[in-house]
Amino acid sequence: EADIYQTPRYLVIGTGKKITLECSQTMGHDKMYWYQQDPGMELHLIHYSYGVNSTEKGDLSSESTVSRIRTEHFPLTLESARPSHTSQYLCASRPDSSGANVLTFGAGSRLTVL
Amino acid sequence: AQSVTQPDIHITVSEGASLELRCNYSYGATPYLFWYVQSPGQGLQLLLKYFSGDTLVQGIKGFEAEFKRSQSSFNLRKPSVHWSDAAEYFCAVGGAVGGSNYKLTFGKGTLLTVNP
Repeated sequence: EADIYQTPRYLVIGTGKKITLECSQTMGHDKMYWYQQDPGMELHLIHYSYGVNSTEKGDLSSESTVSRIRTEHFPLTLESARPSHTSQYLCASRPDSSGANVLTFGAGSRLTVL
Repeated sequence: AQSVTQPDIHITVSEGASLELRCNYSYGATPYLFWYVQSPGQGLQLLLKYFSGDTLVQGIKGFEAEFKRSQSSFNLRKPSVHWSDAAEYFCAVGGAVGGSNYKLTFGKGTLLTVNP
């Protein structure tokens, strides 16, 4: 049973619109991550957070932004969506304890920008 | 830099046959290794992990994987595949918890098709 929730699961939107992908976890994890996944490609880390008010950019450059005002929420925002943003976005989290670097993933948000 | 290679993009097996999915990694220290499975329209579910100790690791759904340091490999195996195993499988490598640069690097995945 998933303890990390992503909404919306599917979103089709026009170019230029602002969108926010929500990610919430009920496990009290400090560390949260956003990955971008395209077919046939590895998952690319685009953002991560080590706790409240902490956000960092990942390996893959992304025009999206994130915020971490509360431990359980880690939303991702695109101010002006473009077709190149079409992808699946996966949110993940893990606890901040030694030896427990196992990521728990949400079900993903599949974004299509027309 | 750490990296993961999954040489097989797509594998097809018959139900009941054995399965081995290959994974090779590059990492400068002792790696933490993972196998995740992704069913269509779903997120990634952890199958098994290797941190230390016994190099043969048991996971969920009857899967196992063997860490071979000399070959930089962490291949996933299952003796008898079920139709419900059809999915995409991702191998990942990561470093020690607590490091400021900790991250998990994934391979491109292997799509498994199971024929009846």
